[in-house]
Amino acid sequence: DTAVSQTPKYLVTQMGNDKSIKCEQNLGHDTMYWYKQDSKKFLKIMFSYNNKELIINETVPNRFSPKSPDKAHLNLHINSLELGDSAVYFCASSQQGHTEAFFGQGTRLTVV
Amino acid sequence: KNEVEQSPQNLTAQEGEFITINCSYSVGISALHWLQQHPGGGIVSLFMLSSGKKKHGRLIATINIQEKHSSLHITASHPRDSAVYICAVRRTSGSRLTFGEGTQLTVNP
Repeated sequence: DTAVSQTPKYLVTQMGNDKSIKCEQNLGHDTMYWYKQDSKKFLKIMFSYNNKELIINETVPNRFSPKSPDKAHLNLHINSLELGDSAVYFCASSQQGHTEAFFGQGTRLTVV
Repeated sequence: KNEVEQSPQNLTAQEGEFITINCSYSVGISALHWLQQHPGGGIVSLFMLSSGKKKHGRLIATINIQEKHSSLHITASHPRDSAVYICAVRRTSGSRLTFGEGTQLTVNP
């Protein structure tokens, strides 16, 4: 069983479209994250959700919005996609405190 | 300047060599993670450290809290160790992880 699963794995879309990436974790963790990995492999945190409350919101464009229907899911919605949004997006989860972080396999988004 | 710095950025080794990847950080932390990103993009958590040293197979991770420094060692390296290794720290306040830029390791047969 996959601990943190993201869908889709690949997403190719045109500029201006709106898209969503889904993330689910079956670990019972109370904190989930979205990261953007740029072409240099650097992981930058975008959002962190703890018990359905946004606890950290990095300075990402308002076009990006996280939505958490329950603590096992954290979906990423992106409006009006731009070329610069092309990247790999990783979802992760952890339990508040000193525990391991578990990552999804990543979603490669290509905006054309 | 990033709060988490890794060195080297790129490392090429011959099979069998002993490898060291370094991580320095400038913030107060409660834990430090070493992650491995496979060529396919998936990320695996290798270690979580708050003090001392941990060993798993051919991998050894150490941390010196006073010096704000951690090292990841790979003994008897193998081509399948080729991956990006990422250091990440968990701040003492909150649960956010702050990442280094990663070290691309290539082990040649």
